Parts: sequence; structure tokens; C-alpha cells
Amino acid sequence: DTGVSQDPRHKITKRGQNVTFRCDPISEHNRLYWYRQTLGQGPEFLTYFQNEAQLEKSRLLSNRFSAERPKGSFSTLEIQRTEQGDSAMYLCASSLAGGRGYEQYFGPGTRLTVT
Amino acid sequence: DQQVKQNSPSLSVQEGRISILNCDYTNSMFDYFLWYKKYPAEGPTFLISISSIKDKNEDGRFTVFLNKSAKHLSLHIVPSQPGDSAVYFCAASDKIKAAGNKLTFGGGTRVLVKP
Repeated sequence: DTGVSQDPRHKITKRGQNVTFRCDPISEHNRLYWYRQTLGQGPEFLTYFQNEAQLEKSRLLSNRFSAERPKGSFSTLEIQRTEQGDSAMYLCASSLAGGRGYEQYFGPGTRLTVT
Repeated sequence: DQQVKQNSPSLSVQEGRISILNCDYTNSMFDYFLWYKKYPAEGPTFLISISSIKDKNEDGRFTVFLNKSAKHLSLHIVPSQPGDSAVYFCAASDKIKAAGNKLTFGGGTRVLVKP
């Protein structure tokens, strides 16, 4: 039984560089979510997919951020022209639509440091 | 505007005693409430949830109470164990179907259980 996995676990990048993170959800889950967590705060919703369709994006998701889930399985989150304010933990979660779909299961996160 | 608030940033309790964590919310559209536990360098782990139509849900050592009129919920852990030392997040999911059950989190409460 594999949970949600994320890669890489840590990323250090220089300001202005592009970064891409990957999330592999629990295999039978059709919903996938991205959240961002900064120090001392709870996770904040960024975007979510049902299968391959991106159905909602937060105002937090500036136009430098893009997320994809091309075949309804894994997802990628790309940040272009990174800024120091992008330094955070990026969390991916998955769930089943309907029923107990509100129960989301999180991966270990990718910690991004922008220098 | 913080829709979910955890007003106690930290809590210290003796092993074997009860831990009580509190959470307040403002959005009356929230229909499910969840508690997550988070260890350092890991993603949040789902603990227990409660529907807005109930006032109590119990799972082993964990009980969640919901007071809708006060827009308040609490998590009771009894007896507390040293392995319960972690950050606990309260989260809420709203009824808007298009939102795909996105979660709104509180800021967390750090619990320390002393042996």
C-alpha cells in the first residue's frame, strides 16, 4: 500500500530559476490537490484536479505557477522565475471524489528554498 | 480573513492526561471538519473527521466535538502519549461542490507530551 509520494523532497534554487515538482497520488484516487505551507502557518490551498481537469485555482497561484495532471495520474507543479517569497513547503494530497472525498491524504512535501 | 483559527499555538501536557485542542471557524458553509497531525519533515496525517450534522465522533483515544452554534470544535486525546507530540491542524471543507472539498486550515497547535 503506497501513499502519496513527492519528488524531490528538497530543492534549493537561485532567484529567477524555474523549478518543477512532481506528485504521485494514491493510485485509485481521482482528486489531486496542491497546497503551500510557510513557517508557522497551516497549509493553504493552491489548486486541485479531478482526473486530468484542473477545476479550481487559488488567487495565491500567480501566473508564474502552473500545474498539470496530463493523464489523470501524477501531477507536476512548475514555478517560473522563482522569487524568495516562493520559499515554502509544497504539499500534494489526494482523495476519492464523492463519499469521504473530504478526507485528503498528504505526501511528505517538497521544501523549496529560493536564495 | 482567517476562516479557521487555532488560538493556542502550543500546549504542554503530562503523559496519561487529557490533551484538549480547540478550533474556531467563521464560515457557515463548512460541512466537514478534520484534524491532522504533523511531525517535522513529514506531510500532515489524517486523524479524525466529523460531519456538520453530528456533534461528536470518537476513534480510539481521539474524540472530536462540534458545537455548530458556537462555530467551535475541539479534539480530545486521552490518554496522551509521548508519541502524540506533534503539530495538530484543524481543517474544514465547504459545501460548494465546485470547490472539490478543498480544505481550509488553521494555523496549528504544537503539542508536547511530557513523560
